[in-house]
Amino acid sequence: RKEVEQDPGPFNVPEGATVAFNCTYSNSASQSFFWYRQDCRKEPKLLMSVYSSGNEDGRFTAQLNRASQYISLLIRDSKLSDSATYLCVVSLSSNDYKLSFGAGTTVTVRA
Amino acid sequence: DAGVIQSPRHEVTEMGQEVTLRCKPISGHNSLFWYRQTMMRGLELLIYFNNNVPIDDSGMPEDRFSAKMPNASFSTLKIQPSEPRDSAVYFCASSSGWGQYFGPGTRLTVL
Repeated sequence: RKEVEQDPGPFNVPEGATVAFNCTYSNSASQSFFWYRQDCRKEPKLLMSVYSSGNEDGRFTAQLNRASQYISLLIRDSKLSDSATYLCVVSLSSNDYKLSFGAGTTVTVRA
Repeated sequence: DAGVIQSPRHEVTEMGQEVTLRCKPISGHNSLFWYRQTMMRGLELLIYFNNNVPIDDSGMPEDRFSAKMPNASFSTLKIQPSEPRDSAVYFCASSSGWGQYFGPGTRLTVL
């Protein structure tokens, strides 16, 4: 079983729509959680950390459910520039050493 | 501010040749990571340095791969001899303890 599993998508949504997707992780001892964004043929970039209480960063909302071992990302009022692959990332450590990356969820926002 | 710098950006070589990838981390970051990304296996951690010391090299595929970090501002990943299955994008990332910042990657093709 993979450490981090994601629905690969693609999620095709119109501009202005809300899109949400989850990932699941296998190790209940995981301590740190992140969403990274990767554009086509570019490097991954940290989008946001995910905290137990849930957190927002502008149009992006991340949630963590430790009991069910899943993490979610919701994008409101989606923009064309949100088109990317979103990587769910989990770490067993309290800092970000030894990250386990999901394969990514592809989101395409159309005009 | 300069981000993580990697060179070369593209490398095409023939099977059996030695390949050296280079990375300059963000100044002040004390952790450095080498990753490999392929369509089949996603993003995999190869090796992790902390304060120039290799901490975890369990992801290094085999003895053909070696990595060094002679000082805080430079690291190399060497493949000798290279094989076609080594073709991938190799990313270097650095961190000061929270959030890993990736370089643009080296796209390696071994013919």
